[in-house]
Amino acid sequence: DAKTTQPPSMDCAEGRAANLPCNHSTISGNEYVYWYRQIHSQGPQYIIHGLKNNETNEMASLIITEDRKSSTLILPHATLRDTAVYYCIVQGNTGNQFYFGTGTSLTVIP
Amino acid sequence: NAGVMQNPRHLVRRRGQEARLRCSPMKGHSHVYWYRQLPEEGLKFMVYLQKENIIDESGMPKERFSAEFPKEGPSILRIQQVVRGDSAAYFCASSPRQGRHTEAFFGQGTRLTVV
Repeated sequence: DAKTTQPPSMDCAEGRAANLPCNHSTISGNEYVYWYRQIHSQGPQYIIHGLKNNETNEMASLIITEDRKSSTLILPHATLRDTAVYYCIVQGNTGNQFYFGTGTSLTVIP
Repeated sequence: NAGVMQNPRHLVRRRGQEARLRCSPMKGHSHVYWYRQLPEEGLKFMVYLQKENIIDESGMPKERFSAEFPKEGPSILRIQQVVRGDSAAYFCASSPRQGRHTEAFFGQGTRLTVV
């Protein structure tokens, strides 16, 4: 039910951009892509979401491919506090629940 | 502007006891979601409630688990006759409306340990 595929882990040097990929090849036309992160077993934190256009906010940028089958979350200047598990999520059919996969464990290295 | 508040943060129960987990959504939010996270796993959707109504309980175990969101007061996730396999972190999220273009905000969770 997760509908997304992410690499299990990634490393990124502090100060560099972290690019986290996600495949969602079965996404349907009206389903949004959401990104959340979970820092050390805290509650998940909302990062960004989008439908088909690229999105940017104060935390990150979201790049969605034209066919919408994959996306990339970009943290432009990673810090040690960005070390977390990042979840790429496609909402459920009714839009009322999120299906979390196993996410990508990002480690930012000093 | 307080976020989603969950209590207790940690709960220890003996096998066979009842566990009650509470969730107060963000101010102005009338939609509540409960998720369970087993150790080393991702979050699993359990139930979605709107004031006084269960909208989607497709992720709820068929027995021993129930949820409510009364007109007044917090949402309650209730687990009867707990077993060791119920040990997990339970997260609540809230949103101001339903639909695909709506982010949900999560609480810090309740960590249930069954001994």
